[in-house]
Formats: sequence, structure tokens, C-alpha cells
Amino acid sequence: EAQVTQNPRYLITVTGKKLTVTCSQNMNHEYMSWYRQDPGLGLRQIYYSMNVEVTDKGDVPEGYKVSRKEKRNFPLILESPSPNQTSLYFCASSFKTWGTGELFFGEGSRLTVL
Amino acid sequence: TQLLEQSPQFLSIQEGENLTVYCNSSSVFSSLQWYRQEPGEGPVLLVTVVTGGEVKKLKRLTFQFGDARKDSSLHITAAQPGDTGLYLCAGVRDTNTGFQKLVFGTGTRLLVSP
Repeated sequence: EAQVTQNPRYLITVTGKKLTVTCSQNMNHEYMSWYRQDPGLGLRQIYYSMNVEVTDKGDVPEGYKVSRKEKRNFPLILESPSPNQTSLYFCASSFKTWGTGELFFGEGSRLTVL
Repeated sequence: TQLLEQSPQFLSIQEGENLTVYCNSSSVFSSLQWYRQEPGEGPVLLVTVVTGGEVKKLKRLTFQFGDARKDSSLHITAAQPGDTGLYLCAGVRDTNTGFQKLVFGTGTRLLVSP
């Protein structure tokens, strides 16, 4: 089954404790992206990747890091989480290089930073 | 700056009623997508409209792209509880670097009661 898998689905952590949210897709998509979803703000792009070893900042990259060492994986790293990073995070992939085709989303990772 | 504003933000209706959701911008988009997100899941693509004035129908859902490609609407006829969810529009915008970017709207949360 074609899918985007995120882990963990739910996480409660404390300020400053480094964490990684993993994302894996099995559709051989070149484009992958991370979004955060906050009430009234829709989906805002954090980082995206057009291919292995090619990543770039989205609209809200501060406080986040990513890596793309393999085509299928695109982890999101929070080096020193802060409460304003409490949010619902989605990983997405697309067959179109710029992600302007259909985006396939994971089920989301709800993060709470205390 | 939010490029795509959706209205209404919330909508609570009874089964069988009709409704329209609007997605507006001052920017021109080369195409526009509509996604639906159900609780606990990621957004799923419903439709993509490409041509100004284009109308697409998906069962009881009718999507229209504005003539000037700056806005779009989603009309649902005889809403059912299964239509409940968050509806997101997303516009594909040409940037001044020559690349394209997908921008999400603020979202409309729909609740259809039996």
C-alpha cells in the first residue's frame, strides 16, 4: 500500500530536549516536505527536499533541521524544542519535483513541548 | 503573509443543507487544489483545477476556479455527516525565481449533523 509513515504519532516533551520525527514514503517520490498545522493558519511549510541531499527552507524553518540521506526518508529534527513548537506536524511527498502535483500526507505527529 | 484566505472559518449545518466554501487571494495561481482532512488523518486531495473558469464535479461537490485564477469555491449539495472535516485549498504559484510553490489556505472546518 502506498503510504507516508510518520513516527511518533504523539509526543510530549520538555523544553530543550532534542527530538526527531521520522518520515518514510514507499512511493519512490523525489519530493518530500514537512508542514506544521496550527488553528486558523492552515498548513505552513517548514522544509522541503527535491531529492537526496537537496533540501531548502520553507516559510517557517526557524528551530528545525532536516536531512535527506535516502530517497525514502526525511526526518525532522528539533535540536532544542520550545513551547511555540507545540503543533501538529505533517510529512508529505509528491512525484512532482516542486511538490505541485498531488501531495500524499502522513497521518500527522502531534507534538507538545512543555 | 497568508496568501490564501478561506471563508467561512467554521461551518456547522444540518444534513441535507447546501453550503459554499470560498478561497480568495490577490495573487494569480497556475492551478488550485482542494484537500479534505478528517480527524486524526492527513489531508487527501479531492481535485485540481487548472483553467480559469473551470468547473469540476465530484459527486455532490462542485469546484470552480475563478476566471482570473485568483479564487476558487467549493459547493456541497445536500451535505451528509460523512462530509465533516477540514477543507483546505492550495494554490500553485509561480515565484520570481522561476520555480513554483504550493501555498495552503487557512482552512474551513465543516460539521454536518444528522
